[in-house]
Amino acid sequence: ELKVEQNPLFLSMQEGKNYTIYCNYSTTSDRLYWYRQDPGKSLESLFVLLSNGAVKQEGRLMASLDTKARLSTLHITAAVHDLSATYFCAAAYNTDKLIFGTGTRLQVFP
Amino acid sequence: DAGITQSPRHKVTETGTPVTLRCHQTENHRYMYWYRQDPGHGLRLIHYSYGVKDTDKGEVSDGYSVSRSKTEDFLLTLESATSSQTSVYFCATTPGEIYTDTQYFGPGTRLTVL
Repeated sequence: ELKVEQNPLFLSMQEGKNYTIYCNYSTTSDRLYWYRQDPGKSLESLFVLLSNGAVKQEGRLMASLDTKARLSTLHITAAVHDLSATYFCAAAYNTDKLIFGTGTRLQVFP
Repeated sequence: DAGITQSPRHKVTETGTPVTLRCHQTENHRYMYWYRQDPGHGLRLIHYSYGVKDTDKGEVSDGYSVSRSKTEDFLLTLESATSSQTSVYFCATTPGEIYTDTQYFGPGTRLTVL
């Protein structure tokens, strides 16, 4: 059974600092997704990672995938307030279904 | 955006009453999903559909049923609502042409069962 764990669950960070969110999954999965959710809103797709060593970057966010370690990371560089949101990772199983992590709530303060 | 709408957006109902939530998409996507979101659990898959009249169960399907009679509509029914089904429900779609496609999410329905 595929399980997905994220840590930390809560992250309060100062503007300008760097930090990493970790996403571990328990069994083989061939792709990993990252989503962002603002309070009271829907989920927005950030990244799709398909192979070992895959790295994708968008602005201050960079995601990577290590399939051997069953680990994905979302690195935040020089955080700004606009990045405050909840971030979810999700691992794929059975071709067409996703298992989501519990989410990391990020708060960026001045 | 994948042109996904959900109705109603908010609903309060009483225990034991039937409830139907609707998901409508305008993108002709093949796959449609229903999730529930609860604090501490992330999103959990309830049911999904891989085509008209083709549906399957997800992780937390007990107490829920679905129907898909048209490509654009996916209905989620709580036959007899319980307080444990108080949640935010999200519909999602994916084209299905390439299995690596991301899922696109609707705005959500907040359901309260008293």
